[in-house]
Amino acid sequence: GAGVSQSPSNKVTEKGKDVELRCDPISGHTALYWYRQSLGQGLEFLIYFQGNSAPDKSGLPSDRFSAERTGGSVSTLTIQRTQQEDSAVYLCASSPDRVSYNEQFFGPGTRLTVL
Amino acid sequence: AQSVAQPEDQVNVAEGNPLTVKCTYSVSGNPYLFWYVQYPNRGLQFLLKYITGDNLVKGSYGFEAEFNKSQTSFHLKKPSALVSDSALYFCAVRYSGGGADGLTFGKGTHLIIQP
Repeated sequence: GAGVSQSPSNKVTEKGKDVELRCDPISGHTALYWYRQSLGQGLEFLIYFQGNSAPDKSGLPSDRFSAERTGGSVSTLTIQRTQQEDSAVYLCASSPDRVSYNEQFFGPGTRLTVL
Repeated sequence: AQSVAQPEDQVNVAEGNPLTVKCTYSVSGNPYLFWYVQYPNRGLQFLLKYITGDNLVKGSYGFEAEFNKSQTSFHLKKPSALVSDSALYFCAVRYSGGGADGLTFGKGTHLIIQP
């Protein structure tokens, strides 16, 4: 079956611009996660959605970052007023439910470059 | 708070030799432990996990990992390395009582298998 998909695969933007990154989870998966992978920080958890519940935003690095999930499926991560330190690969993952020992299935990521 | 340490940035092994990629963790309570692999320009792929029970866990591609509670370790092993095993390996932990929040990852270890 289809895995987690993300778009765009690459995004180059200028400092100060807003960007939107999209994630399509595996069909039927209710849990959705965003992570950031950068050279200096490794893999960092950003935000978690479970179904239509309010998200766990505990990992978001600043108020410039926000995410939404429409209809319990597709999710969009928005970064406002991008900075050069936002350059990273943004990974999305989904999981069948909120059981904590279930593995997460990752998408290929969106590589964001802020000039 | 929970944390994961992968003490080696890089591990070099000759093809056919056994390999070990080290991981230690810190978590309050019982841990759920995971290994993921990342090939160049691709997302993370799940290898194996420890939830409870037998300390030796077998996973994909002939990999296995041994959970050692007293040493708080979860080292990844394979009896005979292949060149195709060359990739970036991540250890991750989740606190069993913490719900389905984000995984905490180690910094990753580059595994290089030399022909």
